[in-house]
Amino acid sequence: GESVGLHLPTLSVQEGDNSIINCAYSNSASDYFIWYKQESGKGPQFIIDIRSNMDKRQGQRVTVLLNKTVKHLSLQIAATQPGDSAVYFCAESNDMRFGAGTRLTVKP
Amino acid sequence: DGGITQSPKYLFRKEGQNVTLSCEQNLNHDAMYWYRQDPGQGLRLIYYSQIVNDFQKGDIAEGYSVSREKKESFPLTVTSAQKNPTAFYLCASSMDSHLNTEAFFGQGTRLTVV
Repeated sequence: GESVGLHLPTLSVQEGDNSIINCAYSNSASDYFIWYKQESGKGPQFIIDIRSNMDKRQGQRVTVLLNKTVKHLSLQIAATQPGDSAVYFCAESNDMRFGAGTRLTVKP
Repeated sequence: DGGITQSPKYLFRKEGQNVTLSCEQNLNHDAMYWYRQDPGQGLRLIYYSQIVNDFQKGDIAEGYSVSREKKESFPLTVTSAQKNPTAFYLCASSMDSHLNTEAFFGQGTRLTVV
């Protein structure tokens, strides 16, 4: 079946830098996407979502970009902080399956 | 407070025993899900339920069973047929599996079989 997957399994950034986490999806019919953050030993938590009629959506320090042409999502975190260290997953809402996730490590 | 609760947080069982993991939500959500997570890996879908009294197999249903007798409850039984049951189990719920809404996750149950 079709699936959502991530390009990079790990990402290490310096505190204060910006982070970019990427996600590829294969179902061209998908119209809603979500990013989740999972801290160690906890369940994933919703960060931000985007619908297919949008290219960009901004939250507090986070921005999600959607490129439907190449079926690609990205999550941008501005001024990355140690508390941002976690695994990040993208998901398509109409298919509750997740990619492998990207582990973000923030170096002080 | 509204939310989704998994219990217990840690569970130890002897090999060959069945064990049931609890998942309760008071969000009035129709859809509920069970995932398995192994160290350093993503979430794999075990079972999901779109409405009470109905459920479907996910990608790794073998060795697991579920029930959905009440809207707020979706317990998962790990049976002795599951070859490698030690893992972190996550339950989630969403308003409706077709309405494009986010999922709310419990805090997980870490099952260790010895």
